Amino acid sequence: AQTVTQSQPEMSVQEAETVTLSCTYDTSESNYYLFWYKQPPSRQMILVIRQEAYKQQNATENRFSVNFQKAAKSFSLKISDSQLGDTAMYFCAFMKHADGANSKLTFGKGITLSVRP
Amino acid sequence: KAGVTQTPRYLIKTRGQQVTLSCSPISGHRSVSWYQQTPGQGLQFLFEYFSETQRNKGNFPGRFSGRQFSNSRSEMNVSTLELGDSALYLCASSLAFSGHGTYNEQFFGPGTRLTVL
Repeated sequence: AQTVTQSQPEMSVQEAETVTLSCTYDTSESNYYLFWYKQPPSRQMILVIRQEAYKQQNATENRFSVNFQKAAKSFSLKISDSQLGDTAMYFCAFMKHADGANSKLTFGKGITLSVRP
Repeated sequence: KAGVTQTPRYLIKTRGQQVTLSCSPISGHRSVSWYQQTPGQGLQFLFEYFSETQRNKGNFPGRFSGRQFSNSRSEMNVSTLELGDSALYLCASSLAFSGHGTYNEQFFGPGTRLTVL
């Protein structure tokens, strides 16, 4: 079974600054995906960024980037130029790679990020 | 294209009752997954339906059941409600194409907030 751990329950950052959210995971799988999801107060879960485990290059999406350390089983999210709209709960999640035959996500407990004006 | 819709958005029930939640996936999506979100346990996978068959199941008691119809719409049923069933229930849909290297992005609905009194 897979586990995903987010040890920081809350973080706060000043608008326009950079913040890094941490995540570690444990799995015996060699091929998998890792994700960061954002859940704003509306509760709508939104995919922020995805990383395939077989890719060494870290994924980036505009102001969002990850630091994927496969050997250390670490997957952190960096948010640059933080904006007020980034205020939300952020979840790290894992999905086994099963050639399309699997949709199950295993989530961490989440971290509440507050962006201060 | 319309997103994932869930009905009802809010529900209040009493212990011992049963409840049915509905999820309509994005048009063309064949897989529907259900998650329970609580402050204590976080996000937990309930089950996934694909082509009217349960493909994956989480670790929940038999009081939690689901089904999927030929149009891919899914329902989730909880019988003999307990106070601990109070939660946000999220469903997610995906295309569920199979094949080497296929990844099924999950698109989440807004959730149904169930309160058990």
